[in-house]
Amino acid sequence: DTAVSQTPKYLVTQMGNDKSIKCEQNLGHDTMYWYKQDSKKFLKIMFSYNNKELIINETVPNRFSPKSPDKAHLNLHINSLELGDSAVYFCASSPIPFPGQRNYGYTFGSGTRLTVV
Amino acid sequence: AQTVTQSQPEMSVQEAETVTLSCTYDTSESDYYLFWYKQPPSRQMILVIRQEAYKQQNATENRFSVNFQKAAKSFSLKISDSQLGDAAMYFCAYLGNFGNEKLTFGTGTRLTIIP
Repeated sequence: DTAVSQTPKYLVTQMGNDKSIKCEQNLGHDTMYWYKQDSKKFLKIMFSYNNKELIINETVPNRFSPKSPDKAHLNLHINSLELGDSAVYFCASSPIPFPGQRNYGYTFGSGTRLTVV
Repeated sequence: AQTVTQSQPEMSVQEAETVTLSCTYDTSESDYYLFWYKQPPSRQMILVIRQEAYKQQNATENRFSVNFQKAAKSFSLKISDSQLGDAAMYFCAYLGNFGNEKLTFGTGTRLTIIP
C-alpha cells in the first residue's frame, strides 16, 4: 500500500554500466520528481515531470535520462555510470498546487542507494 | 533563485527537553510553502510540519511547532519533550506556490537526543 515506491532499494554496480531505477505512485498526483542526495546529505532536484511532460531538468549530465510512461510512473535510467554518481536517489510526487491549497506537499519514496565501484 | 539556509549542522538535546532548529530563506515571492522534513537513519523522508506563507498563525503538530517570521524570512522548528525517536536529520524546505516549482532544501541539521 506504499504511496510512492522505488525499486531497487540498493544498487551496487561497476563503473561504465547502465542501470535503471523505477518509481511508481498510487496517489493520483500529477507531478513526479527525482532528487539526488549526496554524501553530505544535500538534496537537490534533478528532474520533474507533470503528466508525462518534462518540466524541470536541472543541469544533470545527459547520461541521466528520465522516462515517464504514464503519470503514475517515473523511471530513471543512467548510462555509463561513474564513481561520482554514487548517492541516494529519491523519487517524489505531488499534486498541482493552487492558490490557498491546504495540506499541500511532496510525498517521497524510501530512496535508492546507488553505489558505483 | 530561492535559497534555504540551516546554520546549525548539528544540535543535541537532553531527552524530554525542548530544542529549536533554525532556518532562514530568501525569496521575492509573497505566497509560498515552508516545510520541515525528518530523515531518520532509515533514510525515509518524513514530513513533520508545513506552513503556508499566507497564514499568520504558526503551524503546530503535537510536539512540533514552528515560529514563522515572514518579514524576517525565518522558519524555525521547535521540538518539545524531545524523545529518542526524534533523533534524525531535519531539513527545512521551501516551495513557491505557482508555476514550475521545485522543493528547495536546506543543508540539514543533525539532531542527537541525549538519554
